[in-house]
Amino acid sequence: DQQVKQNSPSLSVQEGRISILNCDYTNSMFDYFLWYKKYPAEGPTFLISISSIKDKNEDGRFTVFLNKSAKHLSLHIVPSQPGDSAVYFCAASEISGTGNQFYFGTGTSLTVIP
Amino acid sequence: NAGVTQTPKFRILKIGQSMTLQCTQDMNHNYMYWYRQDPGMGLKLIYYSVGAGITDKGEVPNGYNVSRSTTEDFPLRLELAAPSQTSVYFCASSPSELSRNAQYFGPGTRLTVL
Repeated sequence: DQQVKQNSPSLSVQEGRISILNCDYTNSMFDYFLWYKKYPAEGPTFLISISSIKDKNEDGRFTVFLNKSAKHLSLHIVPSQPGDSAVYFCAASEISGTGNQFYFGTGTSLTVIP
Repeated sequence: NAGVTQTPKFRILKIGQSMTLQCTQDMNHNYMYWYRQDPGMGLKLIYYSVGAGITDKGEVPNGYNVSRSTTEDFPLRLELAAPSQTSVYFCASSPSELSRNAQYFGPGTRLTVL
């Protein structure tokens, strides 16, 4: 049962334009969300996060938006650069007495075309 | 700091063989995790540890065992390898649950069971 879903396996964007990556979740108890970026043959690296008490968080070219009522979050990259080409995973977690478990989406492969 | 290191990078096992995937972190993080990533899928949590001597099951623990005798090391043991365990395995660490910090990932171990 996939609690975090990324329905677009791939996305292509021209350099300089906006990239929008989407993520949906089903568990209303999730209260913390993260985006990771992954290059081939490497482990994921943390990109940006957002707590459920916020609806937006910015870090340079990266902005994450959270819509709790729709159980949806999105990552905006503006402007997109060729070096942004990678697989992006969203992840979600809830505070739990059994520990800090994160649930990952299946990833979206972003290609930024020069 | 080397961060999170994993050995080996690649391994081929025969059905029924056993092996240990090594994971070491030098950031003095309390939390450590093991994930597997199957093709086209997100990361699934196998086991995690909140500190030396404490481990707990994640989403997909069957066929695996872990131990945490030191803060730095978190080895993953596969007993009686099966083709279904063919995957890329990632180890990760994070400072603590309460800070909800992002996880730092190792480069992964690609395991094939034939």
